Amino acid sequence: DTGVSQDPRHKITKRGQNVTFRCDPISEHNRLYWYRQTLGQGPEFLTYFQNEAQLEKSRLLSDRFSAERPKGSFSTLEIQRTEQGDSAMYLCASSLKAADAYNEQFFGPGTRLTVL
Amino acid sequence: EDKVVQSPLSLVVHEGDTVTLNCSYEVTNFRSLLWYKQEKKAPTFLFMLTSSGIEKKSGRLSSILDKKELFSILNITATQTGDSAVYLCAVHGSSNTGKLIFGQGTTLQVKP
Repeated sequence: DTGVSQDPRHKITKRGQNVTFRCDPISEHNRLYWYRQTLGQGPEFLTYFQNEAQLEKSRLLSDRFSAERPKGSFSTLEIQRTEQGDSAMYLCASSLKAADAYNEQFFGPGTRLTVL
Repeated sequence: EDKVVQSPLSLVVHEGDTVTLNCSYEVTNFRSLLWYKQEKKAPTFLFMLTSSGIEKKSGRLSSILDKKELFSILNITATQTGDSAVYLCAVHGSSNTGKLIFGQGTTLQVKP
């Protein structure tokens, strides 16, 4: 399977615990995005990497959230001290940088987080 | 602030009907508009539109962009139950990162 993959697919945790999600983009894609989607809403942008550099973070990304893409390949998103409001689907997407335009983004299956 | 608004929010039709989904947007530096289909999983890419008036077509689905009036429509002809899904419209935001700004989505239910 050469698509975007995410792990785990589901995570149930207790409030206050830390969680980490992993995303493996399509191999030749150098752009990687994290989005969060709650029920009945479209995905909301969280953060963006070009290769290993994190170039934009949303205001939604509080200091409890951190993301990395250490070698410009896979990425991790960590949430510390989880709160019930963090319950959502976390989606990862990747795309190939074009010269002066933007290509379509391909999404992974998502990690559904439930904070009890 | 960049904004995407979709209408209707939900729609119920019968197999064989034709549907039109609407997407209007406000973005400072428009680059492109994308349509995605989302079943109970990740969004799957349908179309990317950059130029006004040029229809993109894939089977029973088609889409067109009007950059003057700042909207796009997605048409589905001869609907099937497998078309039941949430249809998401997104635009590339004003920053130089290519992040997508999504609308709320239109939930389409096709009844047999």
